[in-house]
Parts: sequence; structure tokens; C-alpha cells
Amino acid sequence: KQEVTQIPAALSVPEGENLVLNCSFTDSAIYNLQWFRQDPGKGLTSLLLIQSSQREQTSGRLNASLDKSSGRSTLYIAASQPGDSATYLCAVAGNQFYFGTGTSLTVIP
Amino acid sequence: NAGVTQTPKFRVLKTGQSMTLLCAQDMNHEYMYWYRQDPGMGLRLIHYSVGEGTTAKGEVPDGYNVSRLKKQNFLLGLESAAPSQTSVYFCASSYGDRLVQPQHFGDGTRLSIL
Repeated sequence: KQEVTQIPAALSVPEGENLVLNCSFTDSAIYNLQWFRQDPGKGLTSLLLIQSSQREQTSGRLNASLDKSSGRSTLYIAASQPGDSATYLCAVAGNQFYFGTGTSLTVIP
Repeated sequence: NAGVTQTPKFRVLKTGQSMTLLCAQDMNHEYMYWYRQDPGMGLRLIHYSVGEGTTAKGEVPDGYNVSRLKKQNFLLGLESAAPSQTSVYFCASSYGDRLVQPQHFGDGTRLSIL
């Protein structure tokens, strides 16, 4: 069974810093990897979807990379802002869809 | 632009009671899903539907039933609630299979079983 791990579980950074969130998975036979954002008391919002044939995707200040062979993905957030504070989850689509448990990010003004 | 709407947002039940959670989407999506989210376990798929009139079991279907009588609605039922079903329930929809298409999520239903 696919296992998706996100470390650290929580992260605090000062405003303006660039930061990287990590996601690792055990089975490289995937269709895509997705990054989601979850605000407190809210559902998930899809941020980026990387197809298995792609290496990275960018949206504004967000850049997600995928290395299938090593089972790793990173979400890079440039020039962090307090509004980026949320929980970030990655999910891997293989024969099923598997979510990580997320990294809770706090950006301190 | 409503997207995916879940009702109710909060509910407290006693063990053994029954209830139905409603999910409605206005994006004409074929696929709809019910997940539960528990601390330290990530989201887990309960049931899903690939179109009107169809349902299928997900990862943790026991104790739940679903129906998709209309394309825009997906109902999740608890026939006899148990404390282990205390969780946050999310509904999601997608244009195509979630394995290749992004999902759109509702804001969740927080359910407590006493």
C-alpha cells in the first residue's frame, strides 16, 4: 500500500522567507501528485497538480517539483506572507488516491 | 459560484441515532466522493460515485451508506451512529476520475457522536 509522509508536521517562519515543504511516497507507480491547501474549518483547495511525466509546476509564488524515482515532491513558497498560513497536504494518485497528513505552516508577521 | 456545498456544517448525535449528510455541486461533475478526516490519519475515502445512479465503496465504507439519485447530489447516511464515526466529513467532486482530474472540496461537516 502506498504511504505518503509529510515532514515536518508543523513549521513556523518569519514573513518574507522562502520555504520548502516536503512530501515523500513509497510507490513510484503514480499518475500524478497534487498539493492542496486547507484553512482552519475549511475544505481543501487544489494548488498544483503534477502529472507523472512532468518535473515541476508553477503557480504564482508556488513551485512544486516531482522526482518519481526517489519518491519525493517539494512545494516551494517564495516570499512567504501571513496569508500563506494554512495546512498543506500532498496527495498521490496511483491505483488509489492517498493523502499525506499535512504540514501546518505559520508565517509570522 | 457555490461549488461544493455541504449541509449541515455541524452536528452532534447520540450513539445509535441516524442521520444523512448532504453534498450538492453545481459544476456538472460526474464524479463525487465522501471522505473522512481524522487527526494523524489524513483523508480516507468512504464511498464514491462515477455518475448519477452509481455508487462504490472506498477505503472505509463500513457503517455508511450513500445514494446518488441526482447528478448534483451525493448523500452520506449513518444508519446507527457510533463514537468511532466522530470525524470531519468532506465531500468532493471532479469532472473526471480524481486520479487524473483535480477535485473540488466542500467546507466539511463536523460530526460528534456521544
